[in-house]
Amino acid sequence: SQTIHQWPATLVQPVGSPLSLECTVEGTSNPNLYWYRQAAGRGLQLLFYSVGIGQISSEVPQNLSASRPQDRQFILSSKKLLLSDSGFYLCAWSGAGTSGGAVFGTDTQYFGPGTRLTVL
Amino acid sequence: QKEVEQNSGPLSVPEGAIASLNCTYSDRGSQSFFWYRQYSGKSPELIMSIYSNGDKEDGRFTAQLNKASQYVSLLIRDSQPSDSATYLCAFRNEKLTFGTGTRLTIIP
Repeated sequence: SQTIHQWPATLVQPVGSPLSLECTVEGTSNPNLYWYRQAAGRGLQLLFYSVGIGQISSEVPQNLSASRPQDRQFILSSKKLLLSDSGFYLCAWSGAGTSGGAVFGTDTQYFGPGTRLTVL
Repeated sequence: QKEVEQNSGPLSVPEGAIASLNCTYSDRGSQSFFWYRQYSGKSPELIMSIYSNGDKEDGRFTAQLNKASQYVSLLIRDSQPSDSATYLCAFRNEKLTFGTGTRLTIIP
């Protein structure tokens, strides 16, 4: 079965500090990978998605970046955190494939346990 | 117009009753629809997916889809206190779009 891991689980960082969040998936090959942010009391905001190694698409321009150095590893980074970067960061995966040319492949997305980030 | 509309709640339902959650969406090209459950402080977990008009049942959960009216609903029968959570609906056209969720409280 497939498993998705995220770490760290919680993080408190000062404004202006760097950030690195990691996500790994087990039990599947060539997954589509996603980073979401959920601010307090708000919906899920898609930040980045990746359909393969080194392939990153950004949904929201901001001071965050993402990388996919390995097939089942997805990293979210920032050089300088802002107060507004606080939130619950979720990594998700879905099965690889194509459907009418849509880059998101198969439908269902499964979420990791999340990282709660507080920027002070 | 928001892409996905959900009543934020809170929705309070007595234990054993039917909880009804509703969601409307604006993108007529949407092909797939999902309900996720999110406990406080936890990540969303998939409850059901539905692709065709009509009802789809899975245990105590029934999803209903009406593409002509652009709404999807989730019914929870015999509600239990463990069903207390925020329920997120989502639909996919080219990407997955989530609603902000309805907070459901089951009252013992």
